[in-house]
This record gives sequence, C-alpha cells and structure tokens, in this order.
Amino acid sequence: GDSVTQMEGPVTLSEEAFLTINCTYTATGYPSLFWYVQYPGEGLQLLLKATKADDKGSNKGFEATYRKETTSFHLEKGSVQVSDSAVYFCALSYGPGANSKLTFGKGITLSVRP
Amino acid sequence: GAGVSQSPSNKVTEKGKDVELRCDPISGHTALYWYRQSLGQGLEFLIYFQGNSAPDKSGLPSDRFSAERTGGSVSTLTIQRTQQEDSAVYLCASSANGEKYTFGSGTRLTVV
Repeated sequence: GDSVTQMEGPVTLSEEAFLTINCTYTATGYPSLFWYVQYPGEGLQLLLKATKADDKGSNKGFEATYRKETTSFHLEKGSVQVSDSAVYFCALSYGPGANSKLTFGKGITLSVRP
Repeated sequence: GAGVSQSPSNKVTEKGKDVELRCDPISGHTALYWYRQSLGQGLEFLIYFQGNSAPDKSGLPSDRFSAERTGGSVSTLTIQRTQQEDSAVYLCASSANGEKYTFGSGTRLTVV
C-alpha cells in the first residue's frame, strides 16, 4: 500500500537558518503530494502541493519539488522565522474522486529559536 | 458555516463507555473525512464519505468504531467500549471536490 516517511524529529533551529525536512513516499500510482502545517492551537492547513513529477509547490517562502526518480518531496526554506514553529506533515493523495483520502507521514515538530 | 466545526473540543471518558464525536462540515462540501492523530503515529485515516456513495471504512481500526453521515452533512463518529489506546485527537475534514481539504480543530479524546 501507499505510505509516506518523514525524517525523525523534533528539529530545533535558530532564526534565519536554512530548513530541510525530508519526505519520501511509496505509491502504487502517480499521486499528488502535499505539505500540511499545524500551528500551535490551530487546525491543520495546506502549506503547498505538487500534482505531477518535477512540479514545484511554494508558499510563504517554503518550497518542495516532486521528484519521481527519488520518490521524494523534501520541504525547504531559506530562512526560517520564529513564526514557522509548527508541526509539518507530508502527505499524498490520488484526489479528486474515490481515492481522494490523504495518506500522511508521522509529522515533525519544528521549533525556531529567536 | 465558515469552517469545519467539531464538538466537543475535549472529551474525557471512562474506559468501557461509548462516545460520540460530531463533525459539521462546510456547507456544500460533498466529501467528509475522519482522521485520528495519536502521539508519535501521525495522522491515521479512519473513514471517508463521498456524497451518496458507500463510505470507505477501510481505516477503521476495529468494529468498536463506526460513523454515519446524515443528510450528506453532519457526521458522527462513535466509539463503543472505549479503551485507553483510543485516546487521541480525532480530526474531521471536508472537501468540495477531493482536492482542497478544510480541517476542523479536532476533538481531543482522553480515556481514563
């Protein structure tokens, strides 16, 4: 079956540091890939997505590129801020339609120090 | 409504009791999903409703778990004879087309 594997956490960085959060997937088809973020006390929200190989998703300074050859979707940001402290989830889905449910990784907690 | 509403936000129950968790999706969203978020386990898919189609129950962990969706809107997740391992945050999401999800804030269930 399909699965998503994220690097182990938690991750603690100083403000303005470079961030990479690794995500790899196993899929039987050609899914769309997502990064979701959960800020403290808030609901899960979509950060960015990519729907096909070589697509790059980007939002709020974060980027991730859909790499079919390495089955990866690593999240990067050049300069993190304290406000980026949150839990980050990588996910895949075959939506829309009957297979639109999301398969998530375990999530990783990012803490950014001032 | 403006977002996905879940109630209660917190629930503490005794082992062996039944609990009902409610999800009120965004009006007009035909797809509704339940997930469970356990410490160290990430987000686990439980069940998915799409319009009038039979629900995808493939993620329900045992027959103590069931869910229904009345009138294509509100959904109730029921856990019978709760166990301590059921303690988790239960998240509901809805979607208009299976692409853009909106998640609720979740119900934190603690079984003591």
